[in-house]
Amino acid sequence: GENVEQHPSTLSVQEGDSAVIKCTYSDSASNYFPWYKQELGKRPQLIIDIRSNVGEKKDQRIAVTLNKTAKHFSLHITETQPEDSAVYFCAASKGGGYNKLIFGAGTRLAVHP
Amino acid sequence: KAGVTQTPRYLIKTRGQQVTLSCSPISGHRSVSWYQQTPGQGLQFLFEYFSETQRNKGNFPGRFSGRQFSNSRSEMNVSTLELGDSALYLCASSTGTGQLEAFFGQGTRLTVV
Repeated sequence: GENVEQHPSTLSVQEGDSAVIKCTYSDSASNYFPWYKQELGKRPQLIIDIRSNVGEKKDQRIAVTLNKTAKHFSLHITETQPEDSAVYFCAASKGGGYNKLIFGAGTRLAVHP
Repeated sequence: KAGVTQTPRYLIKTRGQQVTLSCSPISGHRSVSWYQQTPGQGLQFLFEYFSETQRNKGNFPGRFSGRQFSNSRSEMNVSTLELGDSALYLCASSTGTGQLEAFFGQGTRLTVV
C-alpha cells in the first residue's frame, strides 16, 4: 500500500543550526514529493517540492534531496530562524496530474533563540 | 489571484447529524482534493474531484461523500456524524493536469458533540 514514514517526530535546534527531516515512501510509482509547513492554526503551505527526475533542489535556506533507489527524500534547512518553528510534512504523489498526496506524520520543529 | 477558500471556518454538530463543507479552488484549477487532519492520524486523503468526477478515493466509510460543480467548487458531506469525525477538514486545489503543486485552503474545523 501507499505509505510515507517521517522522522523525527520532534526536532529542537538552536537558532543558526541546520535541521534535517527524513522521509521514506513505499510506492515506487511515486514521482512527486512536496514539503509543507504548517504553523499553529494555519493552513499547510507548500515550501518546496521535487520531482523524481531531479536529485536535489534548493531555494535559499531550504533544500530537498531525493534518492529514488532507496525511496528516501529529505528536507534540509540551514541557518534556522525562530520563524522556521512549525510542523513540517513530507508527502508523495504519483503525479500525472492526480491531486492525491500521501503524507508523513509530520515533524514539529522548534528553533530556540 | 484569490486563494483557496473554505466555508464555514468552524462548525459544531451533534452526533447523528450531517454536515456539508464547501471549497472554492483557485481560479483555473479544476482539481479539488479533500483531507482530514487529526492529531492522532495526521493528514489523510479523503477523495479527489476533477471536472465534476471523483478521480481518487481514500479509505474512508461511505458516510463521507463529495461532489464538484461545473465551476470547480466542491462540497463534501458527512452523514450520521460520529465523535471521531471531529477534525480539521482541508481541501487542496490543483490544476489537475500536469502541474503538480497543490495549495490548501484554511480548513473547516468540525467539532462533533
